[in-house]
Amino acid sequence: EVQLVESGGGLVQPGGSLGLSCAVSGFTFSRYWMSWVRQAPGKGLEWVANIKEDGSDKYYVDSVKGRFTISRDNAKKSLYLQMNSLRAEDTAVYYCTRDQDSNSDAFDVWGQGTMVTVSS
Amino acid sequence: DVVMTQSPLSLPVTLGQPASISCRSSQSLVYSDGNSYLNWFQQRPGQSPRRLIYKVSKRDSGVPDRFSGSGSGTEFTLKISRVEAEDVGVYYCMQGTHWPPRTFGQGTKVEIK
Repeated sequence: EVQLVESGGGLVQPGGSLGLSCAVSGFTFSRYWMSWVRQAPGKGLEWVANIKEDGSDKYYVDSVKGRFTISRDNAKKSLYLQMNSLRAEDTAVYYCTRDQDSNSDAFDVWGQGTMVTVSS
Repeated sequence: DVVMTQSPLSLPVTLGQPASISCRSSQSLVYSDGNSYLNWFQQRPGQSPRRLIYKVSKRDSGVPDRFSGSGSGTEFTLKISRVEAEDVGVYYCMQGTHWPPRTFGQGTKVEIK
């Protein structure tokens, strides 16, 4: 069974840091781009960042550039998101999602999400 | 960035009746390979999003055939032929042609009258 399981969410003060993880199982992780997508409370979906199969390319939405870093460990079948200089507007559920590969389109599999709350 | 605009944002429907959601992109979604990378997602209350449709009209595995996608260029539509109670939720379109960034529509909330 294909599964994505996020962890690491929680409450953090403005200006603080938090690291998210996504453990993957049920498919060949190293074949796929991977993405983080977030959803602020009561709001829509926003793509945050993605990373190429081998980690050589990374892209970010403008609002997190310079503050967030996406990474992966193919041996551990894990995706990560390091979030620094957090702001109140970063409060959201963060979803790990399978992005594209050579044969499939983006976002066909999603995790259950992990909540990040930035507040003093 | 490509802006995705959905309408309506709220859609009350009667059980068993059809429903239609429109999605417009600020530029053509035709990629150099001839495909248009337009996806539709369903998010039921309290759940993670689920992809229903990819490449405009291809249904994902397990998606009921009452869901269909159509369109081309900058205009796309998701149709539900006969709405069932389990279809309640928010529906999003998303473009995967011109990225980064991948961009979503605002979402359309489908509810039962």
